[in-house]
Parts: sequence; structure tokens; C-alpha cells
Amino acid sequence: QLQLQESGPGLVKPSETLSLTCTVSGDSITTRSYYWGWIRQPPGKGLEWIGTISFSGNTYYNPSLKSRVTISPDTSKNQFSLRLNFVTAADTAIFYCARQMSWGAPFDYWGQGTLVPVSS
Amino acid sequence: EIVMTQSPATLSVSPGDRPTLSCRASQSIGSSLAWYQQKPGQSPRLLIYGASTRATGIPARFSGSGSGTEFTLTISGLQSEDFAVYYCQQYSDWPPITFGQGTRLEI
Repeated sequence: QLQLQESGPGLVKPSETLSLTCTVSGDSITTRSYYWGWIRQPPGKGLEWIGTISFSGNTYYNPSLKSRVTISPDTSKNQFSLRLNFVTAADTAIFYCARQMSWGAPFDYWGQGTLVPVSS
Repeated sequence: EIVMTQSPATLSVSPGDRPTLSCRASQSIGSSLAWYQQKPGQSPRLLIYGASTRATGIPARFSGSGSGTEFTLTISGLQSEDFAVYYCQQYSDWPPITFGQGTRLEI
């Protein structure tokens, strides 16, 4: 059974970098055709796609966040990570990691999500 | 960027009803449309993909239809556990992947 688990600091200060890790169990992030994404949800609001990394390490970002976002793999730990630079209070959200089974597929498995407040 | 618009924002329903939720894309996305259900405090759950194919384990009372720019999600025989927020998502032309703003089903 595929499982995804987000982890990271519980609080980030404005102007600093938010860093989160998604640990995948039950399958490998390098399995051919799989894509792995980050999605965020401000409290009480809708879903926003942040970016996706492919099984081969190619990355795709939301243009609205592209200048501040980096998604990278750690294949030795079967993890992929999110870095979001220069955060503000508007970046406060629940962050989810999720899997796409192939290019252009929906997200079929999701982590439980982690709330990251941005506050001084 | 393809903009996804859902209507209504909130739908007041009762158990046993047959609500229909709508999702419109700002340009044609073929059948590259997914529906998700999100309950309070939970992650979204994939219900429908390819506009009309139920995901694994999803009850038959959930059905999706449409293509191009107009899509609907219908729940036949609403049950108490179906009260949630429903999101549509396009994956036809990305980046970016885009979601609708959600429809809340409430009693």
C-alpha cells in the first residue's frame, strides 16, 4: 500500500525558506512513469498546485510560484522535498504531497498534509 | 492557464437527494478532468478521473460526465458521509495543473 508522509518545521518566519520533505513508502519514487507533486491549501480555502517532479527528476512548477520554488529528490531515502523561498503570511497553508501515476494523470494518493504557519 | 469554475459554491441538500455539481473549464480539456472529495481535516480523495471513470473503491452512486468545457458530478442517493467539499481539477494542459474553487455540500 502506497503511503506518503509530509514532514518539516511547524513554523516559518517571514522572508525565510519553508522546507518540507515527503517520505514515500510502498513504492519507489524512481518507478518509471510516476510523478510526485506538492499541493497547498490555505486554511479554509481551495487547492493550489505548487509543482511536480518526475521519476527521472524533471521538475514542473506553477508559474505563479516558480521563482521561489525548488522540488528535488533524495532517491537514497525515497523522499522528495519542497523549498519555498521568501515566504510571507500569504504562504501559510496545509501542504500536501501526492502521486500522479503518469504524465497528465490526476493525484491518486495523498499524504495527510502538514500545516505550516508563517509568522514572526 | 486554464481556469476551472465550479458552481454552486454551496449546495444545501438532504440525505437521499441526487445533487449535481458543475465544473466549467475556460478552454477545452477533452476528458482530462478529475473530481476529488475532501472532508474536514482530511486530504482530498480522488473520486473520478477521465471525467467519468470512478477511482478504485469509489461507490457507484458517484458518477461523472462531460467533455470539452462542461462537466458534472452527480451523487445518486446522497448519504451522510457524502457531506464534504468537492473539487474539480484539470490535467490536460499543464503546467499549471489547476483546481476549481470547490463546492460545499451541506445539510
